[in-house]
Amino acid sequence: DIQMTQSPSSLSASLGDRVTITCRASQSISTNLNWYKQSPGKAPKLLIYGTSILDSGVPSTFSGSGSGTEFTLTISSLQPEDFATYYCQQSHTNARSFGQGTKLEIQ
Amino acid sequence: EVLLVESGGALVQPGRSLRLSCLGSGFTFRDYALTWVRQAPGKGLEWVSLIRSKVYGATTEYAASVKGRFSISRDDSKSIAYLQMNSLKIEDTGVYYCTRDVVRHTSSTSMFDCWGQGTLVTVSS
Repeated sequence: DIQMTQSPSSLSASLGDRVTITCRASQSISTNLNWYKQSPGKAPKLLIYGTSILDSGVPSTFSGSGSGTEFTLTISSLQPEDFATYYCQQSHTNARSFGQGTKLEIQ
Repeated sequence: EVLLVESGGALVQPGRSLRLSCLGSGFTFRDYALTWVRQAPGKGLEWVSLIRSKVYGATTEYAASVKGRFSISRDDSKSIAYLQMNSLKIEDTGVYYCTRDVVRHTSSTSMFDCWGQGTLVTVSS
């Protein structure tokens, strides 16, 4: 099975900051990588699919890039609603898998 | 509006069984693959199981942690997917989400584009 590893596990930042979260796969997954956002007590929500395509309604402050085994999620200017936990997920194999999550907190 | 509603979560003893249901509405249920994802208290997301649409033979996939104990199925006439959980362990405790597993024309990557609100399973003696 493919292991997904996110870094950092937690991150403190301020409003307006630019932040980057990294996701590494244990083997190549091409661009079959998605990102989700989960706010406390809520179900996860799709943010980015196919490495870099923003889901409908997702602000342009979000972007994704990468291929193979290394991927990044970047938020260019943090807004209050962005403080949440973010997960990467691979769909390259039949057995899907998630990263362990990155909790983004207000500094 | 696309909706997925899970039900069936409960407190059960280790070794017992439980069946979860996921009712879909607002879309043509039979055309989509469905996935169960779980989240232990205070922990991250774990993919559990997938069932494809009948067009793809309604084939199934399972995480290693549940293979042989859990079984996923679907009844397209009722727009319901099920997760039968047998020989439950304490580590199966968590919120279980039903998701729609789709491939859009803009990408060849499948993704979980719609999530239910989750149902809580607690395995404890």
